[in-house]
Amino acid sequence: GNSVTQMEGPVTLSEEAFLTINCTYTATGYPSLFWYVQYPGEGLQLLLKATKADDKGSNKGFEATYRKETTSFHLEKGSVQVSDSAVYFCALIDFPKLVFGKGMKLTVNP
Amino acid sequence: NAGVTQTPKFRILKIGQSMTLQCTQDMNHNYMYWYRQDPGMGLKLIYYSVGAGITDKGEVPNGYNVSRSTTEDFPLRLELAAPSQTSVYFCASSYIASYNEQFFGPGTRLTVL
Repeated sequence: GNSVTQMEGPVTLSEEAFLTINCTYTATGYPSLFWYVQYPGEGLQLLLKATKADDKGSNKGFEATYRKETTSFHLEKGSVQVSDSAVYFCALIDFPKLVFGKGMKLTVNP
Repeated sequence: NAGVTQTPKFRILKIGQSMTLQCTQDMNHNYMYWYRQDPGMGLKLIYYSVGAGITDKGEVPNGYNVSRSTTEDFPLRLELAAPSQTSVYFCASSYIASYNEQFFGPGTRLTVL
């Protein structure tokens, strides 16, 4: 079946550091890919998405590119802030459900 | 728009008790979902609905029941609660198209003792 594998962490970074969270997927066809973020005590929010190969999703300084050659959707941000501390989930659509990775907890220190 | 709302936020149950988790969305989405999130894991789909009167099982439906009498509401029923049902439960909704995002509620943290 379809699946997602992502870096699990936890990861601690200093403010203004560069962030990469690796995500690879196994899927039949080319499903839409998503990054969701979960802030402490809250539900999941969509951070960005890509619906076809070579699409780049971006939001709040975060970017991810849908790479079918490497079956990857790595999340990057050039300069993290304390407010980016959260759990990040990579996911794909395996209709009707979202298939999630296990999530990666990020802590950003001032 | 309130989006997706869930009640209660927290609940402690004793083994064998029953309860209903409430979920309401005001975005007129046809699709609604229930997921559970266990520590260190991603979310697993319990049940979903494609519209009023239509529901179907997800990956982990045992011990749960759902109903969908209106577009807005999608309650999840736990019968005979067990410690294995200790989890955080999230309701979500979406438009029909498979590439559209799912919108999540704030979650219900359930402990079964």
